[in-house]
Amino acid sequence: EMQLVESGGGLVRPGGSLRLSCVASGFTFSKNWMHWVRQAPGEGLEWVSRTTLDGTDTTYADSVRGRFTISRDNAKNTLYLQMDSLRLDDTALYYCVRDHLFPSGSSALDVWGQGTMVTVSS
Amino acid sequence: EIVLTQSPGTLSLSPGESATLSCRASQTISSNSLVWYQQKPGQPPRLLIYGAYSRTTGIPDRFSGSGSGTDFTLTINRLEPEDFAVYYCQLYGNSPRFGPGTKVAIK
Repeated sequence: EMQLVESGGGLVRPGGSLRLSCVASGFTFSKNWMHWVRQAPGEGLEWVSRTTLDGTDTTYADSVRGRFTISRDNAKNTLYLQMDSLRLDDTALYYCVRDHLFPSGSSALDVWGQGTMVTVSS
Repeated sequence: EIVLTQSPGTLSLSPGESATLSCRASQTISSNSLVWYQQKPGQPPRLLIYGAYSRTTGIPDRFSGSGSGTDFTLTINRLEPEDFAVYYCQLYGNSPRFGPGTKVAIK
């Protein structure tokens, strides 16, 4: 069974830092792009960041660019999100998500973790 | 920047009825890039449809996607109790983005 398990969330003060981790199992982690997607309480989904297979190509939402860093360790089947200069509006459930390329040439986010909650509050 | 709009915000229906959910893009997009997800309370989203039309493994055929250009539709025929949820469309691309969602509620 394909599985993604996030950890590292918690309560942090504005301006603080957190590092999220996501351990993958049940598939060959190194063969998939990976994403972080977040969801503020009671709100919709917001894409945060994406990394390619070896982590050398990364993209970010405007709202987190320059503050968050996505990375991966394929030897450990682990995806990371380093979050610095955290703001109140970063409060959300952060999902680790697998990117899948279908034979048709379309891609989508097909495996989601349960999420880890990040609360930024003074 | 392409913006996705979903309508209606909430759809109140009874089991057995059909639901028609709309996703509109502010510019023409490739059908290959349009994705639909379902999210139930307390659960992560689940992939339903990719490439605008293709159901992913395990999704019943009462779910169907259609559309092109700027207008896309998710149709759910014969609503089952487990179909009442929030549905998001997504533009997959270099900078993916989600629509605001449509809640399908029990009438």
